[in-house]
Amino acid sequence: GQQLNQSPQSMFIQEGEDVSMNCTSSSIFNTWLWYKQDPGEGPVLLIALYKAGELTSNGRLTAQFGITRKDSFLNISASIPSDVGIYFCAGPVGNQFYFGTGTSLTVIP
Amino acid sequence: EAQVTQNPRYLITVTGKKLTVTCSQNMNHEYMSWYRQDPGLGLRQIYYSMNVEVTDKGDVPEGYKVSRKEKRNFPLILESPSPNQTSLYFCASSANRDIQYFGAGTRLSVL
Repeated sequence: GQQLNQSPQSMFIQEGEDVSMNCTSSSIFNTWLWYKQDPGEGPVLLIALYKAGELTSNGRLTAQFGITRKDSFLNISASIPSDVGIYFCAGPVGNQFYFGTGTSLTVIP
Repeated sequence: EAQVTQNPRYLITVTGKKLTVTCSQNMNHEYMSWYRQDPGLGLRQIYYSMNVEVTDKGDVPEGYKVSRKEKRNFPLILESPSPNQTSLYFCASSANRDIQYFGAGTRLSVL
């Protein structure tokens, strides 16, 4: 199956700081998705990307579809305590769906 | 309210005792899927279904079965659970496979 590697694995930041994380694959993806998982809940979609080079924002979140189609990036600006959770990149290959290994974010007030 | 409902939320069982985790969606989605989540590994797809009576293996199907007799329901069956199937399980549904909506999860412990 596909391997989606995310880095960093975990982050501890102060409230108000900006956050950057990325996701890389050994294969080309035609769609990149970013999900957030709050503790004790299922993942929720944050941003969907459909074109290489595309830059899409959702409030304080901005994601980019890498030009090579093998990577994607997520930035969070001015972090707040409710940003705490695990962030996953994901995407379909054929009819299957793959998730990254996740980046765990802790925001210190 | 649009939702994916999984039951039970928590389950403790013993090795070899058959169990079923139910999943139901009310969004008339064609695509449904089961994942397991383990620390450091993210979510891995177990089985998926493109429509009624159409199911296929994901990346980690061993030890699991599914059925899709109705569009809204997609149960996950463990015929003979083993300790390595202790995990957090999620059901998801989607209109177009890309954007998936997840249930709240089922935490399974196999002793």
